[in-house]
Amino acid sequence: GESVGLHLPTLSVQEGDNSIINCAYSNSASDYFIWYKQESGKGPQFIIDIRSNMDKRQGQRVTVLLNKTVKHLSLQIAATQPGDSAVYFCAENPPFPGNTPLVFGKGTRLSVIA
Amino acid sequence: DAGVTQSPTHLIKTRGQHVTLRCSPISGHKSVSWYQQVLGQGPQFIFQYYEKEERGRGNFPDRFSARQFPNYSSELNVNALLLGDSALYLCASSLYPDRVSEAFFGQGTRLTVV
Repeated sequence: GESVGLHLPTLSVQEGDNSIINCAYSNSASDYFIWYKQESGKGPQFIIDIRSNMDKRQGQRVTVLLNKTVKHLSLQIAATQPGDSAVYFCAENPPFPGNTPLVFGKGTRLSVIA
Repeated sequence: DAGVTQSPTHLIKTRGQHVTLRCSPISGHKSVSWYQQVLGQGPQFIFQYYEKEERGRGNFPDRFSARQFPNYSSELNVNALLLGDSALYLCASSLYPDRVSEAFFGQGTRLTVV
């Protein structure tokens, strides 16, 4: 992944509001895109994924949108709850024969205000 | 069923020393990947192993090495530690190496080099 500074972008939302977290990816040939949630002291936790032949996928309270034209991915969280506070990463799965299974984005810290 | 387990959880080493980190995958998972996560950044791929064979290697110096055992557990070794090696080291396991969206991460080993 890209080298970034120590400070993650932060998104603060009121409890109950919707959150939108954005991500730019690098490889237009990537086949899979995944959103992870990482809480303090824990490893990344899978939230939702989307294949490159789709532009939208919905899960429970979450929706992922994929815009291949501008290489942009977004994660929408409906009715954000305090338990959603975490760092969110997007990741892409570059095509074979590349040897890197996942390339992670820069991360966004979501803070939910009760 | 236990998730991915990593040991130790925390470790402090001195510059120049050697370290071994261990990972036990989810039962039945045959592929293990290692990632380095420096504070404030997304995880960066180090190695992937499948059926005891190295499947991929990220852009890390030869001081980093790994192996996978017949029971699919894995070790990551880092020689001649540098201050910049301080990071959270994550292990992820999946049934097969290309099932990246089905990979589960452990909680990581926090390595501090002083």
